[in-house]
Amino acid sequence: NAGVMQNPRHLVRRRGQEARLRCSPMKGHSHVYWYRQLPEEGLKFMVYLQKENIIDESGMPKERFSAEFPKEGPSILRIQQVVRGDSAAYFCASSPPPGTGGFFVFGQGTRLTVV
Amino acid sequence: AQTVTQSQPEMSVQEAETVTLSCTYDTSENNYYLFWYKQPPSRQMILVIRQEAYKQQNATENRFSVNFQKAAKSFSLKISDSQLGDTAMYFCAFMSDSGAGSYQLTFGKGTKLSVIP
Repeated sequence: NAGVMQNPRHLVRRRGQEARLRCSPMKGHSHVYWYRQLPEEGLKFMVYLQKENIIDESGMPKERFSAEFPKEGPSILRIQQVVRGDSAAYFCASSPPPGTGGFFVFGQGTRLTVV
Repeated sequence: AQTVTQSQPEMSVQEAETVTLSCTYDTSENNYYLFWYKQPPSRQMILVIRQEAYKQQNATENRFSVNFQKAAKSFSLKISDSQLGDTAMYFCAFMSDSGAGSYQLTFGKGTKLSVIP
């Protein structure tokens, strides 16, 4: 069981470019969560998705950020027109369906650097 | 909205000694889960221990145990026989179990623990 796979591990983008972060959930997990960790901070919730459905995007910035979890393939967190303030570590977690006790498994994160 | 507070930004402990990390939280809910996560320099988020709020018995996992005080909304982590590999950031986290559908974790800002040889 490969766990939660995130790629790339490190991503460098120039201001104004697009960043695409990928997350493949653990086998058997149907729910994906994205979190952002700014330097010296804890993780902050961004969005919670099931296949083809966004359940909760209350933590997503209103502009430039979007997320999807298609029927086939990984979940994608997309950041358009990146700015320096988007530099952070982005973590994906997956879990079985709710009601099973919050057994999240985290990926190793993608460190985004905007130059 | 829930909040999680870790009042100790940094702590250190001698190898083989015991250390306690503090965490308090604020919620109006009755059903929830509490977690301690470890983040070593590799940045991987590793679950250390988990507590269901409805359970009065404190959770334990080998050298790790918690002191869960529901009325005081306190959830401290005790690490016994500290090892060099315990050096990491430790995050306390809260998750509602209200059944409302969004199972998001709320994290504290973390405590940086250094184990000194």
